[in-house]
Amino acid sequence: AQSVSQHNHHVILSEAASLELGCNYSYGGTVNLFWYVQYPGQHLQLLLKYFSGDPLVKGIKGFEAEFIKSKFSFNLRKPSVQWSDTAEYFCAVRPGGGADGLTFGKGTHLIIQP
Amino acid sequence: AAGVIQSPRHLIKEKRETATLKCYPIPRHDTVYWYQQGPGQDPQFLISFYEKMQSDKGSIPDRFSAQQFSDYHSELNMSSLELGDSALYFCASSLAPGLSDGGYTFGSGTRLTVV
Repeated sequence: AQSVSQHNHHVILSEAASLELGCNYSYGGTVNLFWYVQYPGQHLQLLLKYFSGDPLVKGIKGFEAEFIKSKFSFNLRKPSVQWSDTAEYFCAVRPGGGADGLTFGKGTHLIIQP
Repeated sequence: AAGVIQSPRHLIKEKRETATLKCYPIPRHDTVYWYQQGPGQDPQFLISFYEKMQSDKGSIPDRFSAQQFSDYHSELNMSSLELGDSALYFCASSLAPGLSDGGYTFGSGTRLTVV
């Protein structure tokens, strides 16, 4: 079975700082990779996803992620964060092409200080 | 655009009672997934359905059951409720596996509190 590891459970940054959230997965086959964001009291929203092709994926709100197959990683980045980026961020993986549900990481609670 | 609709939004039940949660997928989505998110925890996959058949099963307790109906809506039935069942229950929908671009759309969730 696949698993997802998010290294940082809590991250505190100042506005305009650069962000990188780590995500590593374990699965031997083809995977689909996702980053979701959950704002306080709201439902999960898709930030970006990777299926195949260019390993550098651009998502909404200025986020991007890079799939590095050799490192089993899919780290999320943003060059300059805003106070409104305060939220919980979840990395998720699913075996490619299947009907399986997503396996989520434990999440990273990001707090942006004004 | 229409989203995934879940009802009710909030539900309070007593221990040992039963609860039924409903999920209405986005039109033309025929695959439904259920997730459970405990307080401060990551979402855990419970079960999924494709074309009214169970397609995958995760960490769903035996006390829970679910089904998908002909209009593709799904219901999660929970019996003998325990305090530990208190959580946010998300439903997500997508197009058929293999055809889907994989970007699930999540509903706002049903917050179940067991007292």
